[in-house]
Amino acid sequence: AQSVTQLDSQVPVFEEAPVELRCNYSSSVSVYLFWYVQYPNQGLQLLLKYLSGSTLVKGINGFEAEFNKSQTSFHLRKPSVHISDTAEYFCAVRTGNQFYFGTGTSLTVIP
Amino acid sequence: ETGVTQTPRHLVMGMTNKKSLKCEQHLGHNAMYWYKQSAKKPLELMFVYNFKEQTENNSVPSRFSPECPNSSHLFLHLHTLQPEDSALYLCASSPTTAIASGSFNEQYFGPGTRLTVT
Repeated sequence: AQSVTQLDSQVPVFEEAPVELRCNYSSSVSVYLFWYVQYPNQGLQLLLKYLSGSTLVKGINGFEAEFNKSQTSFHLRKPSVHISDTAEYFCAVRTGNQFYFGTGTSLTVIP
Repeated sequence: ETGVTQTPRHLVMGMTNKKSLKCEQHLGHNAMYWYKQSAKKPLELMFVYNFKEQTENNSVPSRFSPECPNSSHLFLHLHTLQPEDSALYLCASSPTTAIASGSFNEQYFGPGTRLTVT
């Protein structure tokens, strides 16, 4: 079975600073990769996805992620964060019809 | 209403109660999902329905009983729950579960039902 590891449970960062949220997964066989964001009292919203093609994927709100097959990683980055980026971020992997999620990373942007 | 809605948003029930969670999607999708989100744990996929047929049941205890009367509605019937079942239950939908050529059926999530079992 697939497993998804988000190494950092909490990431505090100052406003306008860059941020990287890390994600590693266990198997690289036919996987599709996603990052979701969850704001308080809301459901998950898709930030970006990797299906195939270019390993650098751009998403909404200025986020991007890079697929690294050899390191089985899919880290999320943003060059300059805003207060409104404070939320929970989830990495997910799809294999077949199964979705596997990480435990989430809580990003707190400090003014 | 647009997107995926869930009712109720909060539910407190005793272990001997019977209650139901409701999910409705207004996106014209054919696949619907139930997830359980517990604190500090990965999101757990519970059930998948595609064109009203259940396609996945990830070893969920029988005290959780899903129902999908049509492609727009999904229910989760609850009975004799345990305190460890307290969690946020999320519903999601997608056009289908298939990975079509050149596209992907991403999931759209509802806001969830916060369930507390006492």
